[in-house]
Amino acid sequence: EPEVTQTPSHQVTQMGQEVILRCVPISNHLYFYWYRQILGQKVEFLVSFYNNEISEKSEIFDDQFSVERPDGSNFTLKIRSTKLEDSAMYFCAIRVGEQFFGPGTRLTVL
Amino acid sequence: SQQGEEDPQALSIQEGENATMNCSYKTSINNLQWYRQNSGRGLVHLILIRSNEREKHSGRLRVTLDTSKKSSSLLITASRAADTASYFCATDGDRDDKIIFGKGTRLHILP
Repeated sequence: EPEVTQTPSHQVTQMGQEVILRCVPISNHLYFYWYRQILGQKVEFLVSFYNNEISEKSEIFDDQFSVERPDGSNFTLKIRSTKLEDSAMYFCAIRVGEQFFGPGTRLTVL
Repeated sequence: SQQGEEDPQALSIQEGENATMNCSYKTSINNLQWYRQNSGRGLVHLILIRSNEREKHSGRLRVTLDTSKKSSSLLITASRAADTASYFCATDGDRDDKIIFGKGTRLHILP
């Protein structure tokens, strides 16, 4: 099973601050995804990224969000100006047939 | 949307019993997957069943898929305390590769 790590495991930030969440797949992959899960709710799709560009994004993924692969290995999700409602678990996933998820980053916006 | 919806929302059974969880979805799919999530933790992939498959086994897990009814079931046999978790079905469509999760079933195994 492909291994995916995410850093940090927990991020606490003040409302309005920028956060960058990182995803590091152990081996090279082409398909990346970000999902989020607000506490007690279901997992929601944010964005898919293929061949270094966004292939699909959800309504949640507004102008405050961006993704990139800055160095060809890390895959980052940036939230420019966090809001209270951005507090959630954020999961990175890669696709090798099925999708494999990282352990998640718990983002807490105060 | 092709949202998966699980039922029941919560299930409590005695250790050793079998647990069955169901999932329904709305549109055509390529694959249906089941994931487990322990409280506040990550998503663990359990099993994938393709749209042309009807049944699949993995250890104590048995998954069925009925595309005519747009439904799937996950059976965990001989349940253990460690099976206590939330279980989600997730579907991906025939035109895109994102997966859509249901709300999950919270399974609690009683000692």
